[in-house]
Amino acid sequence: GENVEQHPSTLSVQEGDSAVIKCTYSDSASNYFPWYKQELGKRPQLIIDIRSNVGEKKDQRIAVTLNKTAKHFSLHITETQPEDSAVYFCAATITGTASKLTFGTGTRLQVTL
Amino acid sequence: EAQVTQNPRYLITVTGKKLTVTCSQNMNHEYMSWYRQDPGLGLRQIYYSMNVEVTDKGDVPEGYKVSRKEKRNFPLILESPSPNQTSLYFCASSTTSYGEQFFGPGTRLTVL
Repeated sequence: GENVEQHPSTLSVQEGDSAVIKCTYSDSASNYFPWYKQELGKRPQLIIDIRSNVGEKKDQRIAVTLNKTAKHFSLHITETQPEDSAVYFCAATITGTASKLTFGTGTRLQVTL
Repeated sequence: EAQVTQNPRYLITVTGKKLTVTCSQNMNHEYMSWYRQDPGLGLRQIYYSMNVEVTDKGDVPEGYKVSRKEKRNFPLILESPSPNQTSLYFCASSTTSYGEQFFGPGTRLTVL
């Protein structure tokens, strides 16, 4: 089955700086890669996703890049703000099948003032 | 309001005392699943259901049971809880197994 590794496990940045979280996956058939954000005491929520037919996707201050050859994808947050502090999970799966989402182990991002 | 609900939100119990955590969704989603969240281990799937009466094991099914008698409900059953099942549990639903997961608020379970 799919295995997703996520790094770093914790990340501290100053407000206004950029943050990058990286994930690698093992199954070359995986073609859908979502990112979930979990604020303290809250439930995970989808913030952005990317499919394997594109290399990059942006939504305001967040972007995700995908390198299919290397089997890794990354979340980029620019101009970080205190409200970006949360745990971020990457995931991978194969669409159109019964395959489930496999999540990474999470990255705790802390944005300091 | 579209939502996934779980009950109870917090539960402290003792080893061996059977318990059920309920999960309900009002979005007519076919796919539902249960995850447990532990520090450093991320979200691990326990069981999932593709539709009514169709369930299958996830990555960590040992010690858990589920049933899907109605489309909207997907209860998680711990017939003989043990301390290693102390965790934060999330129910989720989606239109497909790979679609956006809508998570419930979570159930924090402590087994003494």
